[in-house]
Amino acid sequence: AQTVTQSQPEMSVQEAETVTLSCTYDTSESDYYLFWYKQPPSRQMILVIRQEAYKQQNATENRFSVNFQKAAKSFSLKISDSQLGDAAMYFCAYRSAWTSGSRLTFGEGTQLTVNP
Amino acid sequence: EPEVTQTPSHQVTQMGQEVILRCVPISNHLYFYWYRQILGQKVEFLVSFYNNEISEKSEIFDDQFSVERPDGSNFTLKIRSTKLEDSAMYFCASVQGGSGANVLTFGAGSRLTVL
Repeated sequence: AQTVTQSQPEMSVQEAETVTLSCTYDTSESDYYLFWYKQPPSRQMILVIRQEAYKQQNATENRFSVNFQKAAKSFSLKISDSQLGDAAMYFCAYRSAWTSGSRLTFGEGTQLTVNP
Repeated sequence: EPEVTQTPSHQVTQMGQEVILRCVPISNHLYFYWYRQILGQKVEFLVSFYNNEISEKSEIFDDQFSVERPDGSNFTLKIRSTKLEDSAMYFCASVQGGSGANVLTFGAGSRLTVL
């Protein structure tokens, strides 16, 4: 079974600064997808970014980018120019490419605080 | 933008009572999921549903739980006899296709409080 680990329960960053959230995962599969979801206080789960394991190029969405290291099974999220609205719980998630309709497996989450 | 809609947003119930949480997935989506998040903890998979049957369930999804798609639009989670430990946020999600590349869309959640 796949597992996802986020070793930073809490992180904080100054507004306009850059912060990196860590995620590692364990799988024996060679093809899969990785996601970062954001959960603000409203508790809605919002997709931040997605990475295909077969792509070497790191995904980027505006101020959000990932550092995907397949051999190390590491998938960190970098938030540049942090804004107050980025404050939320961030979850890393794994999804198999082999099973149709496969589940998302989430990490424990990292609570990000953005200080003005 | 299409949304996954969940009702109720918050339900308070007594231990031992039956609860039904409702979800309206996005209309052209084919795969449906329920997840649970106990306060302060990770989001946990409960069950996935496709073609009118359960395609996968976790160890959490025991005989107390059931899911149903009673019509073409609703997807429900029933907890037969609630326990205190069932208190959690329950999220419904849907996705159009089975590929792992497809992104699940989550509803806003239903908070269940068991007293």
